[in-house]
Amino acid sequence: AAGVIQSPRHLIKEKRETATLKCYPIPRHDTVYWYQQGPGQDPQFLISFYEKMQSDKGSIPDRFSAQQFSDYHSELNMSSLELGDSALYFCASSFWVAGGAGYYEQYFGPGTRLTVT
Amino acid sequence: AQSVTQLDSQVPVFEEAPVELRCNYSSSVSVYLFWYVQYPNQGLQLLLKYLSGSTLVKGINGFEAEFNKSQTSFHLRKPSVHISDTAEYFCAVMGGIGGYQKVTFGTGTKLQVIP
Repeated sequence: AAGVIQSPRHLIKEKRETATLKCYPIPRHDTVYWYQQGPGQDPQFLISFYEKMQSDKGSIPDRFSAQQFSDYHSELNMSSLELGDSALYFCASSFWVAGGAGYYEQYFGPGTRLTVT
Repeated sequence: AQSVTQLDSQVPVFEEAPVELRCNYSSSVSVYLFWYVQYPNQGLQLLLKYLSGSTLVKGINGFEAEFNKSQTSFHLRKPSVHISDTAEYFCAVMGGIGGYQKVTFGTGTKLQVIP
């Protein structure tokens, strides 16, 4: 079965550089989420998009921006990188499941490991 | 907003012994609960979920969890662990004031299976 695709899988950047992470959701999934997992930490929600519109926002720094395109893929743009941005960045995509009151079942990609030096 | 507390950061257990990973949640409204597993240098894989109905849910790899509303707990159990179960386990919640979309994770429990 198709899974969430993230590229690149590994990325090394220097401080103050810019990085772009890409996420390709599972076909027919209409919602994309971005999470950041620092070393030894739990994943933290950054931002989500539904039908190309921002649907929710978490602890995303102002230096970061994201968007979802017409083909539903999403990009997370990170500028003025700092050492503390080194983390594993997960993308998840979801579709609506009519269980209980209904919910979005999320499928996670393998992550992009960003190292800032 | 909802939150999740995983009481143990690390749990060592001998191979073939039973294990319980503890999780408590906090929310003023109904929530959905999940357990994810993360193997070293890999992504998050859904183990099991509780949406409604039976409070005992069974997942992949022989894991199960019991939803206890009165104790606001969702502990994960396995009767006999294998070396391959060595990984980090995250309890997670969706719902409540935060909405039925984003997932809030606990801080994780590292399960170390000792041969």
